[in-house]
Amino acid sequence: QITLKESGPTLVKPTQTLTLTCTFSGFSLSSSGVAVGWIRQPPGKALEWLALVYWDDDKRYSPSLKSRLTITQDTSKNQVVLTMTNMDPVDTATYYCAHSTTTIRHAFDFWGRGTLVTVSS
Amino acid sequence: QSVLTQPPSASGTPGQRVTISCSGSSSNIGSNYVFWYQQLPGTAPKLLIYRSDQRPSGVPDRFSGSKSGTSASLAISGLRSEDEADYYCAAWDDSLSSPYVVFGGGTKLTVL
Repeated sequence: QITLKESGPTLVKPTQTLTLTCTFSGFSLSSSGVAVGWIRQPPGKALEWLALVYWDDDKRYSPSLKSRLTITQDTSKNQVVLTMTNMDPVDTATYYCAHSTTTIRHAFDFWGRGTLVTVSS
Repeated sequence: QSVLTQPPSASGTPGQRVTISCSGSSSNIGSNYVFWYQQLPGTAPKLLIYRSDQRPSGVPDRFSGSKSGTSASLAISGLRSEDEADYYCAAWDDSLSSPYVVFGGGTKLTVL
């Protein structure tokens, strides 16, 4: 049974760095073809893809946010961490992590429940 | 503004067939598979379609996907009240040196 759970601060101040952790179970990020990604959704708005890390530590980032994002994996802890620098109120959103594999051409088939991050002074 | 274009809303009556469109370009839909997600109010998205027309196990065959050129569609037949949700298309985009995923702006489906 694959599960993912996001954790991190619910409130950050403008210009601060956000660090979110995705803790997962039911799969190994060391297995060939597996990936974990981050997607966010501002209140009442559309989904926005942020980043993805593959089993071989290859990484992909949203071009518009690449300079602010870092995604890392800790296979020993079954965790993927996303950091986003220089937070702004427009970054207020629910942040989701999700599981993906090459079998489904890297769609996201299992999602966490999401964590709402508010950016405000 | 989203890279993939979807109508903001769609509607239908129970039992009806509804289609939601998704328009992109040669660098995304035109050269890659399309994914569709369903998001019920207050919940995380759920994968409905991958590889443009494949359903994960557990997704009813009332849901079907298709792709032609730089456009894709999600069809829902035998519409039910529980289908009322937001629907998003997505695809990988190869326009830059490093591929990335793009989403549509979402379509809110109302079951009348």
